[in-house]
Amino acid sequence: GAGVSQSPSNKVTEKGKDVELRCDPISGHTALYWYRQRLGQGLEFLIYFQGNSAPDKSGLPSDRFSAERTGESVSTLTIQRTQQEDSAVYLCASSLVSRQGNQPQHFGDGTRLSIL
Amino acid sequence: AQTVTQSQPEMSVQEAETVTLSCTYDTSESDYYLFWYKQPPSRQMILVIRQEAYKQQNATENRFSVNFQKAAKSFSLKISDSQLGDAAMYFCAYRETSGSRLTFGEGTQLTVNP
Repeated sequence: GAGVSQSPSNKVTEKGKDVELRCDPISGHTALYWYRQRLGQGLEFLIYFQGNSAPDKSGLPSDRFSAERTGESVSTLTIQRTQQEDSAVYLCASSLVSRQGNQPQHFGDGTRLSIL
Repeated sequence: AQTVTQSQPEMSVQEAETVTLSCTYDTSESDYYLFWYKQPPSRQMILVIRQEAYKQQNATENRFSVNFQKAAKSFSLKISDSQLGDAAMYFCAYRETSGSRLTFGEGTQLTVNP
């Protein structure tokens, strides 16, 4: 009965380095989402996975951001050549999929990324 | 594009009292979903309550209820008998029935005073 798991919980890295953030969704959830939350702000949508494919990646802010998902399980969000404006909490969510689209999204605790 | 606005950056309430958090949204869709999420310092987003736009009846979950005014595009959250554990950031969110993403407001920081 585990929830959405994200790792690492916190990540501090130097500007220009690459980082990988991991998300383990709830078992059986075919939909997976990544959001970014800057300090004191609401969540911004980044990308949505349905199974292995990403039908909506319109929220990715630049080509330095990419994400992949293996099977209907783990997803990795990669940020290349990190910049200070990438500092934020990155939240992952997963959900079941229904025709009505009314399944709630369940969130992980997020990864706090700090770029020095 | 859909937008969600929370006009109250901060609110406070005395323990056991009632507080209402405001949310308005903009959409051209007739069918959609609205949510309130709670985010304590632990960062995890916790679903508090949700409302389907096609339902006229306001959703209720124990001490939490909404006032959904579709014509006014308003979706406020009422917390009754406030408890210390209700202190958190509260986010209003919108989702199209055919869509995937949630669109969030900027949040309201709720303080509960003993």
